[in-house]
Amino acid sequence: QKEVEQNSGPLSVPEGAIASLNCTYSDRGSQSFFWYRQYSGKSPELIMSIYSNGDKEDGRFTAQLNKASQYVSLLIRDSQPSDSATYLCAVNGPGGYQKVTFGTGTKLQVIP
Amino acid sequence: KAGVTQTPRYLIKTRGQQVTLSCSPISGHRSVSWYQQTPGQGLQFLFEYFSETQRNKGNFPGRFSGRQFSNSRSEMNVSTLELGDSALYLCASSHGLKGQKNTEAFFGQGTRLTVV
Repeated sequence: QKEVEQNSGPLSVPEGAIASLNCTYSDRGSQSFFWYRQYSGKSPELIMSIYSNGDKEDGRFTAQLNKASQYVSLLIRDSQPSDSATYLCAVNGPGGYQKVTFGTGTKLQVIP
Repeated sequence: KAGVTQTPRYLIKTRGQQVTLSCSPISGHRSVSWYQQTPGQGLQFLFEYFSETQRNKGNFPGRFSGRQFSNSRSEMNVSTLELGDSALYLCASSHGLKGQKNTEAFFGQGTRLTVV
C-alpha cells in the first residue's frame, strides 16, 4: 500500500463547478497535511495546510480532514480554467519533523 | 521576502559524471529538503537537512548525497550519473521545528537535470 494515495485523473469539471480532490494516507500518526498545486513545467506551490479534523476554508478552496478515516480532500468552488493543474497531497509523519510524503497527484482539467 | 532559490535551472551532463546542485532557503528557514520528480515516480523524497545535519533520508543509493552550510544553504551531489537520474530536482525549505506551521514547506523553481 502506498503511503499517500491519490487518483491520478484526469478529473474534468466544467467551469464554475465544484472540483473534489481526494487523498488517503496510511500512517495513522501523521500530523500535518498539505495540498500543493503544480502547473506543468513549474514547481509545486503550497495552497492549503490542515492539521485538525474538520474543514478549513481559504477563498474558493476548502480542505477537509478526517483522521479516523485517514482521508484528506480539497474542494475547489467556482472552478476556473486557471485551476487546471496537478494537485499534490502531502503528509508529514509523526514526530512533527520534516519528512513529507507526497501522493502522485491528481490532474484537474477545468473545461471552459 | 525572497523565496527559495535553486541553481542552476538547467543542466546537461554525461553518464558517469557528477553534478552539484545548490539551494538557498527562505531567510530564517533552517530545514532544506530535496526531492526528485520524474513523470513515472512523482515526487520522491531524497533527504532533509536541519542545522547542518541530515535528519531524514529517503530510499536513494549512496550516489546521492547532500550537505548543509551554517547559513542553511544546501547542496546536493549526484556522482556517477546514470540515464535514469534525469529528472527535475526540487528543494523545499521550512522552519523545520516541531509545530504545525513550522512544517509548511515552500519549493524552489527546481533544477532540470538531463543525463545523456
